[in-house]
Amino acid sequence: DAGVIQSPRHEVTEMGQEVTLRCKPISGHNSLFWYRQTMMRGLELLIYFNNNVPIDDSGMPEDRFSAKMPNASFSTLKIQPSEPRDSAVYFCASTQAGVGYTFGSGTRLTVV
Amino acid sequence: TQLLEQSPQFLSIQEGENLTVYCNSSSVFSSLQWYRQEPGEGPVLLVTVVTGGEVKKLKRLTFQFGDARKDSSLHITAAQPGDTGLYLCSRNSGGSNYKLTFGKGTLLTVNP
Repeated sequence: DAGVIQSPRHEVTEMGQEVTLRCKPISGHNSLFWYRQTMMRGLELLIYFNNNVPIDDSGMPEDRFSAKMPNASFSTLKIQPSEPRDSAVYFCASTQAGVGYTFGSGTRLTVV
Repeated sequence: TQLLEQSPQFLSIQEGENLTVYCNSSSVFSSLQWYRQEPGEGPVLLVTVVTGGEVKKLKRLTFQFGDARKDSSLHITAAQPGDTGLYLCSRNSGGSNYKLTFGKGTLLTVNP
């Protein structure tokens, strides 16, 4: 199993540009999570899908952030327009019924 | 917000020393997980504890869940440089809500 796959690993973009982060969860896992990690705030949950349906998006900071899960094997997190304060490492994780949480290697986003 | 407090925030020790890090909350956990995160990677699940008073061992790592299920500790015996990393605790929201809330972690450095 290749684990949770995220792309890109690194993204540097200019303020105001659109950024799209991608995630492929582990096959068979029915829950998918997007987290953001910063030194100041640690790991914060942004949004959580169960069976491709968004269950809790209370952590999405503002309308500039959106996430989709069109099928069980793919999810995107989009930031439009991006701002320097969005700079962080973004992680995707998946689990099957709360068992075996597995994180991807993350996308390090830098907005200049 | 059900906060998880981890202590110490930073710990730097010499190879061969023993150490303990802590995870505390004011509310009861349904379950608690410990993760280790290495630089440039996502967190990797080490253990899940569920029962108050439970002790689990993973080689040189001993995990204990408090009797009241509000706190947990991780003890490492004879630390090695390979133990270096960010140790995170997390709690599950319980029931069919699989989202995790994380503490900010303890950054451990083991010097050779």
